[in-house]
Amino acid sequence: GESVGLHLPTLSVQEGDNSIINCAYSNSASDYFIWYKQESGKGPQFIIDIRSNMDKRQGQRVTVLLNKTVKHLSLQIAATQPGDSAVYFCAESPRGNQFYFGTGTSLTVIP
Amino acid sequence: DGGITQSPKYLFRKEGQNVTLSCEQNLNHDAMYWYRQDPGQGLRLIYYSQIVNDFQKGDIAEGYSVSREKKESFPLTVTSAQKNPTAFYLCASSITGTTNTEAFFGQGTRLTVV
Repeated sequence: GESVGLHLPTLSVQEGDNSIINCAYSNSASDYFIWYKQESGKGPQFIIDIRSNMDKRQGQRVTVLLNKTVKHLSLQIAATQPGDSAVYFCAESPRGNQFYFGTGTSLTVIP
Repeated sequence: DGGITQSPKYLFRKEGQNVTLSCEQNLNHDAMYWYRQDPGQGLRLIYYSQIVNDFQKGDIAEGYSVSREKKESFPLTVTSAQKNPTAFYLCASSITGTTNTEAFFGQGTRLTVV
């Protein structure tokens, strides 16, 4: 299978600070990347995606950065809130609607 | 509301018994997937289906079986051959085509073997 990994398994941030979650991927043929948020006992929810022809994409309070040279993906969350506490997964899609997921980073927001 | 529904949310099974997990979607998606999630691990692909009446094994298909008789439904059977079936099971669906799009997930079924 594909190797998709996260640099930090846990991350704690103060409420109001910015959060950065990192992800490394191994398949240079991957052309589509997604970030998901998973709350305890629930299914993953789509946050934001990016295609390989872009290096940055912004959503509401979130930004995804893609560095194809070093096969690195990051998720930035601005003004982190307690409701952002969850596990965050990156996923890569190298071909044909298959998705490969990392192990996840647990984000804890300290009030 | 459009979405993907898994049932039941919690399931208990005695060792040696087969059990079937339900997954239904009304998003008109062609592709459907089953993942297994264990604590501290990412999602691992069990089976996927790109179209009705066709499915392929994922990375950890042993001890599992699926069917895809209808576009909306992709049930997963956990057989007695699965050595360690206790886990959180997630079903997903996505559009197929030349451009990848995100997978939509159900809320999961937590299976416990007792």
